[in-house]
Amino acid sequence: QVQLRESGPGLVKPSQTLSLSCIVSGGSISSGTDYWSWVRQHPGEGLEWIGYIYYSGRTYYNPSLRSRVSISVDASKNQFSLKLNSVTAADTAVYYCARAGDLFYYSGYLLPSGFDSWGQGTLVTVSS
Amino acid sequence: QSALTQPPSASGSPGQSVTISCTGTNSDVGGYNYVSWYQQHPGKAPKFMIYEVSKRPSGVPDRFSGSKSGNTASLTVSGLQAEDEADYYCNSYAGGNNWIFGGGTKLTVL
Repeated sequence: QVQLRESGPGLVKPSQTLSLSCIVSGGSISSGTDYWSWVRQHPGEGLEWIGYIYYSGRTYYNPSLRSRVSISVDASKNQFSLKLNSVTAADTAVYYCARAGDLFYYSGYLLPSGFDSWGQGTLVTVSS
Repeated sequence: QSALTQPPSASGSPGQSVTISCTGTNSDVGGYNYVSWYQQHPGKAPKFMIYEVSKRPSGVPDRFSGSKSGNTASLTVSGLQAEDEADYYCNSYAGGNNWIFGGGTKLTVL
C-alpha cells in the first residue's frame, strides 16, 4: 500500500517561496500509473487542487495558481516537490500530497479516476 | 474558477439515508462523468469514496452511492452510522486536465 508523507517548513514569510516535499513509499513514482498531486485546505475551508505531475515531468496546474506554482519530481529519491512563490497570508493552509491513480485517456488527456491515497498533511503558515 | 456548490450541512439519524448535493456547471459536473467524493474526519486526510460519479473503490461500504443529473451530482449515505459523521467533498473534472472541489458538507449523525 502506497504511503505519502509531506515535509517542509511550517512557517514562511510573506513574499517568499513555500517549498514542500512528498516522499512516496510502497510504490514507485516512475511506474507511470499515477499522477502525483498537491491539494491544499485553508483553515476551516474546503479543498483546492493545486496541480499534479507525471513521472515524465509533465505538469498540470490549477489556472488560478499557475503563475506562482511549480511541481517537480525526483525519481531517484521517489519524491516530488511543490514550490509556490510570492506567498501571502492567503496561502496559509494545510498542504496535502496525494496520488491520483487509475489513469485513463479522455479527449487527448491522460486523466486519473481520483485522488486515492493521501499524506497526513502539513500546515504552512505565512506570517512575518 | 469557482468551487462547486455544496450545502454547508446535512444530518440524519442512525439507520436513515441522507443525500448531499454538488452543483456545478456545464463546464464541469454537467460536462463530464468524472465526479468523485471524499470523506474527511476532523484532523485527518481525505478518503477516496466514489469515482466516475457512482463507482466505489475497493473497501468502501456499499452504503455509499453516487449519482448525477445534469449539473448536479449527489452522494447518498444509506443506513447512517455514527462513524459516517464527517465532512464530505465532491470533485469534478473541468476540462484541460483541471479539477475543481466543492466547498464541503458537514454531515451530522443525530
